[in-house]
Amino acid sequence: QQQVKQSPQSLIVQKGGISIINCAYENTAFDYFPWYQQFPGKGPALLIAIRPDVSEKKEGRFTISFNKSAKQFSLHIMDSQPGDSATYFCAAKGPGRRALTFGSGTRLQVQP
Amino acid sequence: NAGVTQTPKFQVLKTGQSMTLQCAQDMNHEYMSWYRQDPGMGLRLIHYSVGAGITDQGEVPNGYNVSRSTTEDFPLRLLSAAPSQTSVYFCASREGANLDTQYFGPGTRLTVL
Repeated sequence: QQQVKQSPQSLIVQKGGISIINCAYENTAFDYFPWYQQFPGKGPALLIAIRPDVSEKKEGRFTISFNKSAKQFSLHIMDSQPGDSATYFCAAKGPGRRALTFGSGTRLQVQP
Repeated sequence: NAGVTQTPKFQVLKTGQSMTLQCAQDMNHEYMSWYRQDPGMGLRLIHYSVGAGITDQGEVPNGYNVSRSTTEDFPLRLLSAAPSQTSVYFCASREGANLDTQYFGPGTRLTVL
C-alpha cells in the first residue's frame, strides 16, 4: 500500500526556471513531511521539512507548500540550477511511527 | 565526525549465500534504521532500532536480520540471499525522535545472482 504518491517521475527544467514536484498522502495522522535530495552514488540528504500547522515553509530557493485539506504537499525550486539536478523524495511520518514512508522519487534534470 | 558509514560499497553474492552489511555512526544517535531502495519504489524500511538491545521490524523485514549490541553499530544480515534482494541498501541514524537530525549513509549496492 503506497501511502505517499509522488509525481512526476522525471522532470526537465531549464536553468532559471521553477521546478515543482508534488506528493499526496492518505494517512491523515501524518504530522511531518520532509523532502530529501539524493545525488547519484550518495545517500539521501534532508533538504527541507514542514509540519501541518503551517501552509508554507521557505529556505533559500526551496519552498514547501502544504495543503492539509487536499492531503497534498509540494516542493518548489525557484531559479533552478544545473547543480540542483538530483533525485528528490518526499516522505511522511505519523505519530507513533518509528520511521518515514517515502514517495517513489522524482529525477530532476536542470538544463544549462 | 565521519557521520554514518557503510561497508562494503558494492557486493555481489550468489543465491543462497549469507553476508552482513555493516553500518556505524559516530554521532551517539539512538535511532538507527535500514532501508532498501529499488527503482520507482522510493526507500522502504527493513528494520530499525531505538537503542542498544532494541530492534523492530519495518515494512519489508523478510530475509533480513539485525542486532544492536552497541549504540554505534547496526549490522544487517542477509540469511540466504535471493535475487529479489538485489537493491541499494541505506543505513540511517537520528537523534531520538527528531527527524530533522536524520542522516543517511552512502549506501551499499548489492547484486544477487
